[in-house]
Amino acid sequence: NAGVTQTPKFQVLKTGQSMTLQCAQDMNHNSMYWYRQDPGMGLRLIYYSASEGTTDKGEVPNGYNVSRLNKREFSLRLESAAPSQTSVYFCASRVVYEQYFGPGTRLTVT
Amino acid sequence: AQKITQTQPGMFVQEKEAVTLDCTYDTSDQSYGLFWYKQPSSGEMIFLIYQGSYDEQNATEGRYSLNFQKARKSANLVISASQLGDSAMYFCAMRGVETSGSRLTFGEGTQLTVNP
Repeated sequence: NAGVTQTPKFQVLKTGQSMTLQCAQDMNHNSMYWYRQDPGMGLRLIYYSASEGTTDKGEVPNGYNVSRLNKREFSLRLESAAPSQTSVYFCASRVVYEQYFGPGTRLTVT
Repeated sequence: AQKITQTQPGMFVQEKEAVTLDCTYDTSDQSYGLFWYKQPSSGEMIFLIYQGSYDEQNATEGRYSLNFQKARKSANLVISASQLGDSAMYFCAMRGVETSGSRLTFGEGTQLTVNP
């Protein structure tokens, strides 16, 4: 089992560019999450998906969109990147009480 | 709304000694879960331990134990016999069953340094 995988690991964007962060899990979990982590802070929830076909906003959803493509995949899209979106992005999936995190994507917007 | 407070930005401990990392929480939910995660310098998030609000005994996982005091709304992590590899950022988190949609709310973290 690969667990939770994320691509890419690193990305540099210019202001106004768009990109999609990919996340996949092979553990057959229903719930998946996207978080961002800014320097010196804990993780903050951007969007989550309780099951295939459903998505809900988290604490900081502005500037992002998500797609739950199927049970395995949950993507995060930045339509017009801004420097304030420079962060490390974590995808996670959940079974019962434990959340499994991916390795993270370090995104810099210049 | 849920809130997690970690009041220790940094902690230092000597190798082989025990250390307690503080966490207090606030929630209106009756049923909730408390978590601790470790984030080493490599960046991944590693699950350490879980405590349910209705669990009568404090959770333990190897050298990690969670000192749960419900009335005080605290969920401190105790690491016994610290090792150099324990140097990392530690995050306390919670999930309320009734109101949070199973989302985790994180504290700001405590940077632990283990000295040889």
